[in-house]
Amino acid sequence: NAGVTQTPKFRILKIGQSMTLQCTQDMNHNYMYWYRQDPGMGLKLIYYSVGAGITDKGEVPNGYNVSRSTTEDFPLRLELAAPSQTSVYFCASSDDRGTYEQYFGPGTRLTVT
Amino acid sequence: AQTVTQSQPEMSVQEAETVTLSCTYDTSESDYYLFWYKQPPSRQMILVIRQEAYKQQNATENRFSVNFQKAAKSFSLKISDSQLGDAAMYFCAYRSVQGAQKLVFGQGTRLTINP
Repeated sequence: NAGVTQTPKFRILKIGQSMTLQCTQDMNHNYMYWYRQDPGMGLKLIYYSVGAGITDKGEVPNGYNVSRSTTEDFPLRLELAAPSQTSVYFCASSDDRGTYEQYFGPGTRLTVT
Repeated sequence: AQTVTQSQPEMSVQEAETVTLSCTYDTSESDYYLFWYKQPPSRQMILVIRQEAYKQQNATENRFSVNFQKAAKSFSLKISDSQLGDAAMYFCAYRSVQGAQKLVFGQGTRLTINP
C-alpha cells in the first residue's frame, strides 16, 4: 500500500526556473492538498482540491499553480522560481467520509538559489 | 479565519518523565476537530491523536493524552513515560467540519528527550 507518494525528494532550482512537483495517491481519496513548511514553522496550505477538475486557493497560493485531471494525481507547478519558495512541500489526501484523516506524503525539499 | 498558537518553541524532558505541550486556538465555530502531529527528523507527518470538539471526554492513545478545554480554546498534549523515540517536532492543528477539511497548523514545539 503506497499511500501518498511525492517526487522528487530533493531539488535545487535556479531563480527563474520552473518545475512540477508530482503527487499521487492510491487510496481513491477525493480531497487532496499541497502544504509548504518553511524552516522552523508549521505547514501552510497552498492549494487544495475536492475532486477531479476542482481546485481552490489556500493561504499562500502566489507563485504556484495546480491541476487535478484525475483522482489520483495532484501536481504542483512552480513558475519563475524565487528564493522565497525555498521550503519543504507536502502533499496530503483525505477521504470525504468518516474521520477525514489526512495522509501525508514524505515531502519534497526544494532550494531556490 | 482560524488560528493556532503554540507558545513553546522548545521543550525538553528526562526519559521516563511526563511532559505537556501547550496549544491554543481561535475560532468562532462550535464543531471542529483538533489534532497533534509528530514530525521526526525523517520529516514524515505522523498523526498522534485526534479530538472531536463535540466530545467532552479527552482523547487518549497509549502514552499520549490531551487536555481539551473548549471554553478556554486550549488543547494540550501530555506524553507520559517519555521515550527517546518521542523526540520530534510536534504540531497542533485545527480542522473545521465544514468545507474541504483543510488543516490549520501551529508553529510547532521541538521536543528533546534527555537520556
